Amino acid sequence: AQSVTQLGSHVSVSEGALVLLRCNYSSSVPPYLFWYVQYPNQGLQLLLKYTTGATLVKGINGFEAEFKKSETSFHLTKPSAHMSDAAEYFCAVSGYNQGGKLIFGQGTELSVKP
Amino acid sequence: GAVVSQHPSWVICKSGTSVKIECRSLDFQATTMFWYRQFPKQSLMLMATSNEGSKATYEQGVEKDKFLINHASLTLSTLTVTSAHPEDSSFYICSGHRGREETQYFGPGTRLLVL
Repeated sequence: AQSVTQLGSHVSVSEGALVLLRCNYSSSVPPYLFWYVQYPNQGLQLLLKYTTGATLVKGINGFEAEFKKSETSFHLTKPSAHMSDAAEYFCAVSGYNQGGKLIFGQGTELSVKP
Repeated sequence: GAVVSQHPSWVICKSGTSVKIECRSLDFQATTMFWYRQFPKQSLMLMATSNEGSKATYEQGVEKDKFLINHASLTLSTLTVTSAHPEDSSFYICSGHRGREETQYFGPGTRLLVL
């Protein structure tokens, strides 16, 4: 069985500040981990993913995430927030031989203050 | 690459009518397509998984006779909401999966409002 927990349904940062969105997972198989972003009234866009190999993964728009197996975490970070980063962020988990099926976290809404 | 489109982007219909939503993978063959429902300020809820040429697999609690899914080709899946009622109003999102990789590629969503 797999599950995802995103800590904090809403995070607010100032423009230029560090962005940290937390994601913890549980999985009975080696996990594949994803971060997606959703802007209002739109679908989901892939930010980054971890499957195997390097545990620090870089994605689009300056985001990165680190897979920490010992902590069962996959937190998303960005050194300096931009106003355009304001959106809903979803962490998701899948795994080998899962047929691509994703289990999503509850989502975190990121607000960026000027 | 890996673009998924949905049509229509929004639809308003009267209670009791049926609505069809199309999901197309534009530049890849999607061996599997997924259909999700999303309520305001909530996460995505998986409704069903469809594989080309076979019957869809529905998640627990999703009425298969209410939400008809057809995956006629490797680039097209349709969701038909039959005899729609106001409680079916929601944002419906599809995604395509290529099978040989792990990533789902999402469509832009369809907002359904049933009056």
